[in-house]
Amino acid sequence: AQSVTQPDIHITVSEGASLELRCNYSYGATPYLFWYVQSPGQGLQLLLKYFSGDTLVQGIKGFEAEFKRSQSSFNLRKPSVHWSDAAEYFCAVAWSTSGTYKYIFGTGTRLKVLA
Amino acid sequence: GAGVSQSPSNKVTEKGKDVELRCDPISGHTALYWYRQSLGQGLEFLIYFQGNSAPDKSGLPSDRFSAERTGGSVSTLTIQRTQQEDSAVYLCASSLSWNTDTQYFGPGTRLTVL
Repeated sequence: AQSVTQPDIHITVSEGASLELRCNYSYGATPYLFWYVQSPGQGLQLLLKYFSGDTLVQGIKGFEAEFKRSQSSFNLRKPSVHWSDAAEYFCAVAWSTSGTYKYIFGTGTRLKVLA
Repeated sequence: GAGVSQSPSNKVTEKGKDVELRCDPISGHTALYWYRQSLGQGLEFLIYFQGNSAPDKSGLPSDRFSAERTGGSVSTLTIQRTQQEDSAVYLCASSLSWNTDTQYFGPGTRLTVL
């Protein structure tokens, strides 16, 4: 069965440090891959998405993610974290089946940023 | 234009009562989704609507849950005979169409069943 795993429930980094949030998926082919961010009191916002092509995807707010087929991973990175990046981050996958699409979200990684 | 709106923002109800949650999608978006986010859990897909097509109800957890979308716009999620395990944040999202278009999420309705 298809699944999405975010192995880190909580991550704490210092402001200015680099960040990598992990996401692994289980699916027989290449799914569509997404990262969303949920800031306190805010709705979810799309950071970036991968459909095909270049495996390094640039998103908003300085985030990027790299699709690695061999590792079934789509990790989110940022070279220098800002205090405003403190939020919860969700990885999601979608795939086409029987003429429709299915979505699965991971359980999220909560990011804390130290001043 | 305006984003996705949901009402009420908070709902407290007693076990066994019925509740209705409303979602107003972004104008022109043909696809609408309902998710449930329980404490410490990811988003659980419930149901989606695409235009006038029959909705995909495969994610609804029980027959106490139902949803409708009138006129291809506003949607209502109804939970009958609420149970304590129904307590969660219910999120609505819309997108231009149902494929892999970006989903725009509303702020959610926090449901508490006492």
